[in-house]
Amino acid sequence: LAKTTQPISMDSYEGQEVNITCSHNNIATNDYITWYQQFPSQGPRFIIQGYKTKVTNEVASLFIPADRKSSTLSLPRVSLSDTAVYYCLVGFKAAGNKLTFGGGTRVLVKP
Amino acid sequence: EAQVTQNPRYLITVTGKKLTVTCSQNMNHEYMSWYRQDPGLGLRQIYYSMNVEVTDKGDVPEGYKVSRKEKRNFPLILESPSPNQTSLYFCASSMTSGRDETQYFGPGTRLLVL
Repeated sequence: LAKTTQPISMDSYEGQEVNITCSHNNIATNDYITWYQQFPSQGPRFIIQGYKTKVTNEVASLFIPADRKSSTLSLPRVSLSDTAVYYCLVGFKAAGNKLTFGGGTRVLVKP
Repeated sequence: EAQVTQNPRYLITVTGKKLTVTCSQNMNHEYMSWYRQDPGLGLRQIYYSMNVEVTDKGDVPEGYKVSRKEKRNFPLILESPSPNQTSLYFCASSMTSGRDETQYFGPGTRLLVL
């Protein structure tokens, strides 16, 4: 079962780019990497998912090196509303897998 | 509207009094699961279900039961709640096939056990 490690917290300022790296050294061949965002008292919300190289959507980019032992979520030009906890999740491709969230990274965006 | 609903949203109970938190999804998802979230511990999976009548333990199943008699419903049962089960609970669902493995989370149920 792939375990993930993320920084506990990071601060940024409005308009800056935020990069959060997640380590997942024992990721399995069939595992995907998924990032979720969670605001206080709300359920997590899907941000982005990838398997290798780079994935980009309207809110974020996900960079995955060739060895797939880590991944980096990039949030371009953050705003105050991006203040949240971000979770990296690995696994779930094969039937029967448990899902294990890491501790999450608390991102605080300052004015 | 595609969604996961949970009821109740808030619950205060006493030790030992059986309770059930309901979860329902309208997306015909096969996979459903329950999480609890506690300060400093992140999200921990309690139980999951791959399909009707197929359930399995997550990371913290002690003190909980689940059932999956219908595809859309996945209730969480606390037969004899204890104060250490005071937590914020989330139900989630997702498809299991292909790449569409995004989990959709419910709004959460905040439980206080006295």
